[in-house]
Parts: sequence; structure tokens; C-alpha cells
Amino acid sequence: SQQGEEDPQALSIQEGENATMNCSYKTSINNLQWYRQNSGRGLVHLILIRSNEREKHSGRLRVTLDTSKKSSSLLITASRAADTASYFCATEGKTGANNLFFGTGTRLTVIP
Amino acid sequence: GAGVSQSPSNKVTEKGKDVELRCDPISGHTALYWYRQSLGQGLEFLIYFQGNSAPDKSGLPSDRFSAERTGGSVSTLTIQRTQQEDSAVYLCASRRSGANVLTFGAGSRLTVL
Repeated sequence: SQQGEEDPQALSIQEGENATMNCSYKTSINNLQWYRQNSGRGLVHLILIRSNEREKHSGRLRVTLDTSKKSSSLLITASRAADTASYFCATEGKTGANNLFFGTGTRLTVIP
Repeated sequence: GAGVSQSPSNKVTEKGKDVELRCDPISGHTALYWYRQSLGQGLEFLIYFQGNSAPDKSGLPSDRFSAERTGGSVSTLTIQRTQQEDSAVYLCASRRSGANVLTFGAGSRLTVL
């Protein structure tokens, strides 16, 4: 399977703390994306990092990519209760027709 | 429309019945994806349409599953002779040409009794 894996599966933190989620994947990629899913809703794109990039920032989000280890991390700084959601990484492979394969997700709970 | 629209939002059916799930992508988006998400799980790729090219059906779990995209716009996912293990949320997403990012619909929750 080309599906990636996130860890931890679930993470519970206090508001104001930082949350770090990790993603591992199996194949060579063009880019890696992170999406967020609120309960009962569709996924919303957060940030994309290309295979030739090592770090990217967007607001309170910081993404790193290590292609040698086939892994990525998503850091959410100064978390808020509204950040409570599931977070998924998705990889677009170098071969194939721009297909996007999703990981298993990390369920983040931010306690007010 | 402004977003990806899926219908029905909820569908309860009896084992053995056929169901059709509809996806209306964002106007002008050339690529359309179907994923399945079982309770508390990640997204399982089902099928991918890109323009007029032959669809990538490699993710369809069995021959009971099929999908079509008419006129390069609306797509219908059909599940024949539904089984209880088909119960899941079916998510549709679309992407415009040249873009990397997917826009998702809210999903269709299927429950097979």
C-alpha cells in the first residue's frame, strides 16, 4: 500500500502548548501535503511542501520534510481549542497520474 | 458551484441493495477523486478521473464498485449488492488543472444494515 502513517494516532494537549505530528511514507514523492478534518466534515488543505524543500511555515504551522527518511512532521504552535481535529498527511508520488495517498491520521484534542 | 457538493449526505440501506452517491465538483476542475473513510480510519483511495483520460480504478475494492464521470463534471459512485463492510463515509474531491491541492466535499455517510 502507498498509504502513509501518522503518529501518534491520538494526541491530547493543553491549550497554549505545541502539538507535533509525524508522517512516514513509502515511495518517492513530488510533494507532501497536510490536511485537517473536523469531525463529520471533509478535509481542508493546510500546507504543501515540495520534495526539494526541507521546511515551510504558514502562520502557526511549521512543516518539515526529510526525504532520506521518508518522513514529515507538522508542528502547531500555541495551540487553541479550535485546533481540535484530525490531521492527515498526503503524498503525491513521482510516478503515476498525480494521485494523492493519505495517511491514517492523528486525532488532536486541545483542552481549553 | 463554490465548493464540492455531495449527495446524499446520509444514506441508510439494506444489505444487498444498490446505492448511488453523487459528486458535483468545482466548476472547471479537471480532476476528480473518490475516497472511502471507515470509522476512525484514514482515507482509502478508490478512483481518480483526469479530464478525458481513462480513470485510475486501481483502488476499487471489488467489482461491486463502479464510478463514472459524465461530461467531465458530475460523478456517480455506484455500489451494487451492498455489504455491511461498505458502511463508511465516501469523500469526493476535485482539483483544477496544474494545481496540487484537493478540495473536498463534506462526504456521503453510508450505513448498510
